[in-house]
Amino acid sequence: DSGVTQTPKHLITATGQRVTLRCSPRSGDLSVYWYQQSLDQGLQFLIQYYNGEERAKGNILERFSAQQFPDLHSELNLSSLELGDSALYFCASSVEQGGGAYEQYFGPGTRLTVT
Amino acid sequence: AQSVTQPDIHITVSEGASLELRCNYSYGATPYLFWYVQSPGQGLQLLLKYFSGDTLVQGIKGFEAEFKRSQSSFNLRKPSVHWSDAAEYFCAVAPIMEYGNKLVFGAGTILRVKS
Repeated sequence: DSGVTQTPKHLITATGQRVTLRCSPRSGDLSVYWYQQSLDQGLQFLIQYYNGEERAKGNILERFSAQQFPDLHSELNLSSLELGDSALYFCASSVEQGGGAYEQYFGPGTRLTVT
Repeated sequence: AQSVTQPDIHITVSEGASLELRCNYSYGATPYLFWYVQSPGQGLQLLLKYFSGDTLVQGIKGFEAEFKRSQSSFNLRKPSVHWSDAAEYFCAVAPIMEYGNKLVFGAGTILRVKS
């Protein structure tokens, strides 16, 4: 158990819908990261927040957005869902914001299926 | 272009045999290096990391990895594989960034262990 929690574990929804994925980081970690794992794209970095502020952005679609709240939990919002958005979405957390020399701890993931 | 390469998609080894999983990276400056393992239906677990110093690093579950700057490689090894090691293994790098942090993953290597 990494200490990172994600809800829900599974989500099934229809095209065009909007969903929210939630993540709670490990106690004491200020950075939260979101990753997408799909068969065709592999593991891709989406976005990082540190103490409520956006710090780094990857290949995140404009239909996707995220935020980190004062209690440090984070939410990833996916809207106008398409079949290709079906994937495993991971949240990770780390102590610091940048520099690279900090390991990231991953949650169990949320499996999103768009039908 | 910056990339992480795991040349072996699948590897099958006999239980008790030694294992080496290959990872090569292409970055201007040596990034920080990680190996993660993902069991079916599970999240990513950190096996080991290299930031600096001794180029042979020890991790959990009896794994070790060697950083070779001249070859831009960070190969994962285990002297004797157990059936429970069957999983998918990901090499990841954290590019040295001035601001923010992210992990860039290789495509993964699926390890099968035969008895």
